[in-house]
Amino acid sequence: DAGVIQSPRHEVTEMGQEVTLRCKPISGHNSLFWYRQTMMRGLELLIYFNNNVPIDDSGMPEDRFSAKMPNASFSTLKIQPSEPRDSAVYFCASTAGEAYEQFFGPGTRLTVL
Amino acid sequence: GDSVTQMEGPVTLSEEAFLTINCTYTATGYPSLFWYVQYPGEGLQLLLKATKADDKGSNKGFEATYRKETTSFHLEKGSVQVSDSAVYFCALPTSGGSYIPTFGRGTSLIVHP
Repeated sequence: DAGVIQSPRHEVTEMGQEVTLRCKPISGHNSLFWYRQTMMRGLELLIYFNNNVPIDDSGMPEDRFSAKMPNASFSTLKIQPSEPRDSAVYFCASTAGEAYEQFFGPGTRLTVL
Repeated sequence: GDSVTQMEGPVTLSEEAFLTINCTYTATGYPSLFWYVQYPGEGLQLLLKATKADDKGSNKGFEATYRKETTSFHLEKGSVQVSDSAVYFCALPTSGGSYIPTFGRGTSLIVHP
């Protein structure tokens, strides 16, 4: 079975550019989470969805960040405009119902120059 | 709110050495406790869990016992291998009955041949 799929795996962009990260959760999972991981801050929960509806976006750092989940099999995290301090690894994770075990994707390593 | 505190790393060991990574928790009641592992270049994956006090979770030679007296969930392995080199995260559900995990800062383990 395919796990959580993220694309791209690596993204290098220049400050001010728009960045879109993509995630396909495991089929049948109805909760989806976006995390950011940096050495300084560790693992931070940015936003999560339940049944495609955003439940808590209190972790989204600024209005430059937005996330959507148009259907059960696809989600995007967009940064516009990007800044060097957004450089991090961004993970998507999914769970089935109210299950504690989260399944993580391989992450997208974002570098903003 | 509920939280976990992990020992800071990195922990550096020789192959076949005994491993302990400390984790203590602060929580209302007795939540489930988890250890996740993140191998280089990958997302987190669940390593083991314990759902109630005095339970022992185990997987891949790793063990952790849920000890309410000391509010601890230390991770142990009797003989580590180079392939165990990774970052280990202790976690518990966010307070308020949520199924969203709160992760510790992570402890890096480096095993030398």
